[in-house]
Amino acid sequence: GENVEQHPSTLSVQEGDSAVIKCTYSDSASNYFPWYKQELGKRPQLIIDIRSNVGEKKDQRIAVTLNKTAKHFSLHITETQPEDSAVYFCAATNYGQNFVFGPGTRLSVLP
Amino acid sequence: DTGVSQDPRHKITKRGQNVTFRCDPISEHNRLYWYRQTLGQGPEFLTYFQNEAQLEKSRLLSDRFSAERPKGSFSTLEIQRTEQGDSAMYLCASSLRSGGVDTQYFGPGTRLTVL
Repeated sequence: GENVEQHPSTLSVQEGDSAVIKCTYSDSASNYFPWYKQELGKRPQLIIDIRSNVGEKKDQRIAVTLNKTAKHFSLHITETQPEDSAVYFCAATNYGQNFVFGPGTRLSVLP
Repeated sequence: DTGVSQDPRHKITKRGQNVTFRCDPISEHNRLYWYRQTLGQGPEFLTYFQNEAQLEKSRLLSDRFSAERPKGSFSTLEIQRTEQGDSAMYLCASSLRSGGVDTQYFGPGTRLTVL
């Protein structure tokens, strides 16, 4: 079955700097890769996603890149702000079956 | 609120008791997923439904866990003979396939504590 790894497990950046979180997946059949942000005590919130037929997607300060050949995808956050501090999870799925999540990255944006 | 809702939000039970959780998905969503999340970990897939059909169940899931979605709307997750290791946040998510992908939206979760 699918296995998703995520690095780093913790990341601290200065406000205004960029943050990059990387995930790798094992199942070449996976075709959809969402990213979720989870604040303490709250539900995971979808922040951006990418389909396997797209190499990059951007939404304001957030972007995701996908390398299907290497089976990895990354989340890029530019101009980080304190409110970006949270745990970020990547996930992979094959047509909505059995979403597999990474272990998470705790991002701290230092003022 | 038209989002995914879960009930109860918190449940404390004694070891050996049965518990049941409910999830109400976004109304037009035909897929419903159950996950378990422990502190510091990502959501772990338990099972999912398409309409009323349970299409997949995690091989790691104990037989003490059962889920239903009888009319293709709300779903229930029952844990029988609870154990302390069942203590976790139980998350429900729903999705509607669009353009070949299922965009999931999560509920607030039910936090289970087994004493």
